[in-house]
Amino acid sequence: DTEVTQTPKHLVMGMTNKKSLKCEQHMGHRAMYWYKQKAKKPPELMFVYSYEKLSINESVPSRFSPECPNSSLLNLHLHALQPEDSALYLCASSQIAGSNQPQHFGDGTRLSIL
Amino acid sequence: SQQGEEDPQALSIQEGENATMNCSYKTSINNLQWYRQNSGRGLVHLILIRSNEREKHSGRLRVTLDTSKKSSSLLITASRAADTASYFCATFPNNDMRFGAGTRLTVKP
Repeated sequence: DTEVTQTPKHLVMGMTNKKSLKCEQHMGHRAMYWYKQKAKKPPELMFVYSYEKLSINESVPSRFSPECPNSSLLNLHLHALQPEDSALYLCASSQIAGSNQPQHFGDGTRLSIL
Repeated sequence: SQQGEEDPQALSIQEGENATMNCSYKTSINNLQWYRQNSGRGLVHLILIRSNEREKHSGRLRVTLDTSKKSSSLLITASRAADTASYFCATFPNNDMRFGAGTRLTVKP
């Protein structure tokens, strides 16, 4: 069992739909992350939140909109996605943002865009 | 974008054998981390080695770091079928984590 919980585990949506991915951790971590992972590739960083503020946005298209309502929750709002956005979306957290901090990952949401 | 490369891309061994995976990176680092990912699961942190360390052990894992060559290796001794997974090294070139391409390890019982 992971300490970072992601819902839903699977999501199929059309290109005109709006949906949200959710991530929750109760470890008291103050940094949270979204990654995108294509099959047989490493995860690629999308967003970093530090103390509930967006600190890094890796030039992600605006059809992906992150939100951090509080220190335990992280959302990723999806709208007008493209087929190439189909991937595994991973959420992670760490005590604080920084290179000496191990990150704890959820098991991801597998997203398919029709 | 990826920070570095790992080799081999895929490795298949018998249970009980040792597995060695290598990682090369491009920029200077403060530390380097290794993660494991089982199929369909999230990543699990294995070990962190600081730039002033040359070797670190954790159970059956041994990690080495050569900053002059910008490379690291992960050795898993006495492998088990449960070690079957993808293994990634990770660095922080611009204060954000970048993963290597990964090695897919298969341990046959």
